[in-house]
Amino acid sequence: AQSVSQHNHHVILSEAASLELGCNYSYGGTVNLFWYVQYPGQHLQLLLKYFSGDPLVKGIKGFEAEFIKSKFSFNLRKPSVQWSDTAEYFCAVWTSNNAGNMLTFGGGTRLMVKP
Amino acid sequence: EPEVTQTPSHQVTQMGQEVILRCVPISNHLYFYWYRQILGQKVEFLVSFYNNEISEKSEIFDDQFSVERPDGSNFTLKIRSTKLEDSAMYFCASSESKNIQYFGAGTRLSVL
Repeated sequence: AQSVSQHNHHVILSEAASLELGCNYSYGGTVNLFWYVQYPGQHLQLLLKYFSGDPLVKGIKGFEAEFIKSKFSFNLRKPSVQWSDTAEYFCAVWTSNNAGNMLTFGGGTRLMVKP
Repeated sequence: EPEVTQTPSHQVTQMGQEVILRCVPISNHLYFYWYRQILGQKVEFLVSFYNNEISEKSEIFDDQFSVERPDGSNFTLKIRSTKLEDSAMYFCASSESKNIQYFGAGTRLSVL
């Protein structure tokens, strides 16, 4: 069964600092990769996705992620964070052998940006 | 922008009681899902539903759980006899095809 690991559980940054959140998955086949964000009190929102093609994907709000197949990684980055980026970030994987299309989530990374 | 809506936002119930969590998926979506997140833990898949039947379910989704699409718009999760360990945030999601899932805001279930 596939699994997803997010190594940083809590990250605290000052505004304008750069961000990189790690995500690794374990599955050898075709994967679709996602980053979701959950702002306090709100629903999970899709930040960006990777299905195929250019491994560097750009999402909303200045976020990007790079798929490195050899490392089974899909790290999320943002060059300069803002206070409004304070949220929990979830990496998720969808694998092609799923009859029911389930997403497997990482444990989440709680980001706090200090103004 | 279309949204997945879930009601109620918070449900408090006594252990042993039945609860029904409601979701209205995005109208043209065909695949529906329930996930849950116990406080401090991962978001976990419960069940997926397509063409009026369950297409996949996890080990968590035992006989106490059931899903239904009673009227073509709602998608419900029923827990027959709640246990303390069912306390969690329950997320509904829907997707148009086998790709991007859109999530609702969740229902926080508290079992006392």
